[in-house]
Amino acid sequence: GEDVEQSLFLSVREGDSSVINCTYTDSSSTYLYWYKQEPGAGLQLLTYIFSNMDMKQDQRLTVLLNKKDKHLSLRIADTQTGDSAIYFCAESSYNTDKLIFGTGTRLQVFP
Amino acid sequence: DTAVSQTPKYLVTQMGNDKSIKCEQNLGHDTMYWYKQDSKKFLKIMFSYNNKELIINETVPNRFSPKSPDKAHLNLHINSLELGDSAVYFCASSQVASGGEYTDTQYFGPGTRLTVL
Repeated sequence: GEDVEQSLFLSVREGDSSVINCTYTDSSSTYLYWYKQEPGAGLQLLTYIFSNMDMKQDQRLTVLLNKKDKHLSLRIADTQTGDSAIYFCAESSYNTDKLIFGTGTRLQVFP
Repeated sequence: DTAVSQTPKYLVTQMGNDKSIKCEQNLGHDTMYWYKQDSKKFLKIMFSYNNKELIINETVPNRFSPKSPDKAHLNLHINSLELGDSAVYFCASSQVASGGEYTDTQYFGPGTRLTVL
C-alpha cells in the first residue's frame, strides 16, 4: 500500500536553512504537498508540486522532487522562530481523492 | 471569512455517549473529507463525500456516520463513544476538477479535539 515517511525531529538555529525530507512509495503519485501544523492549530497548506516538476520555489520555501527516488524535500531559507511547527508531507494520485500523510516532522528553531 | 469551519472546537464526553461534529466550507468546493489525528499526530483519512455522495470509507467502525445535507456541509456523528475515539478530527474540502486541471488541493478546518472519558 501507499506509505509516506519523514524523520520525526529537526532542530535548527534561527537564520539557518532547514531541510525537511520525505519519501513515498506510490509511483502513481500525482501531487505532493507540504502542510504546516502549529501547536493546537489546524493544517495549513504551504505549497504543493505536480509530479512532472523537479522544483518549485515560493518566497522562502523551495520544494525539490526526485521522482526516480520518490524523495521530496522542503527547504526553508532564513528559518525563523515562527517556523517552529510540525510539517507534514502528503501525496495524492489520480486514482483516489484521498491524501496520504507522512508522520510529520517537528521543526524546532532556537535563537 | 473562515474557509473551512468546524464546531465545536473542543468536545469532552463520557464513554457510551453519542456526539456530532459539524463542518462547513464556503469555498464552493464539491468534495469534503474527515481525517483523524491520533495522539502521535498521525493523520489518516476516514471519509470523503463528493456532491453529497460517499466516495471514500476507510474501514472506519460503523459507529461513525458522516452526513452531508448539502455540498457545503459534512457532519460526523459518532455513536457509543469509546476511549480510543479520543483524537483531533479535521474536516477538509477540495475542488477535484477545475477547468480540466486536476489539483485536489485540500484545505483543512481548525480541528475538533474530542476527549472521551
